[in-house]
Amino acid sequence: AQRVTQPEKLLSVFKGAPVELKCNYSYSGSPELFWYVQYSRQRLQLLLRHISRESIKGFTADLNKGETSFHLKKPFAQEEDSAMYYCALSGLGATNKLIFGTGTLLAVQP
Amino acid sequence: NAGVTQTPKFQVLKTGQSMTLQCAQDMNHEYMSWYRQDPGMGLRLIHYSVGAGITDQGEVPNGYNVSRSTTEDFPLRLLSAAPSQTSVYFCASSGAPFGYTFGSGTRLTVV
Repeated sequence: AQRVTQPEKLLSVFKGAPVELKCNYSYSGSPELFWYVQYSRQRLQLLLRHISRESIKGFTADLNKGETSFHLKKPFAQEEDSAMYYCALSGLGATNKLIFGTGTLLAVQP
Repeated sequence: NAGVTQTPKFQVLKTGQSMTLQCAQDMNHEYMSWYRQDPGMGLRLIHYSVGAGITDQGEVPNGYNVSRSTTEDFPLRLLSAAPSQTSVYFCASSGAPFGYTFGSGTRLTVV
């Protein structure tokens, strides 16, 4: 069964501290993994996708197929990073269902 | 391009009333989907469509109907609203190679 697990509902860090948002997945096949961000009461925005291997706003994520993980990392948190972060997966291709985790609220304290 | 447009942005319904949430996209995407967002539960897939005339159920389809008569539009119908349907609803469309684009959401309250 397809499943995305985000074990932390809330992660609170101080400005300048490193951040790691955890994501584990279950999927029979080769999934495509994403991180989406939702700032307060706004629409979801794509932050990262594993196939592009980009760094957006200082965030990176590496797909670890052995541990079935796709953790989101940033070395130095900023206050403007405070938002809800969702990990998601789909099968390869544009017409596969996108399955979300339950989300982690990142709160960056000044 | 407007991307994915959802209307209305806010709606209050009485239990038992019906309504349609509208979703339109102008990117010629084949795939469209509806999600509901609830605290602590993330986004759950309600219904999706892989093209005009084709729809299928997602994770939480009960109480909702959809149709896809054109590529652009994918309305979500609540036939008899219940308080359990109070939620924020997001429409999304997807087309290679850019992935999913989300609408701005509809905040629905059923009293």
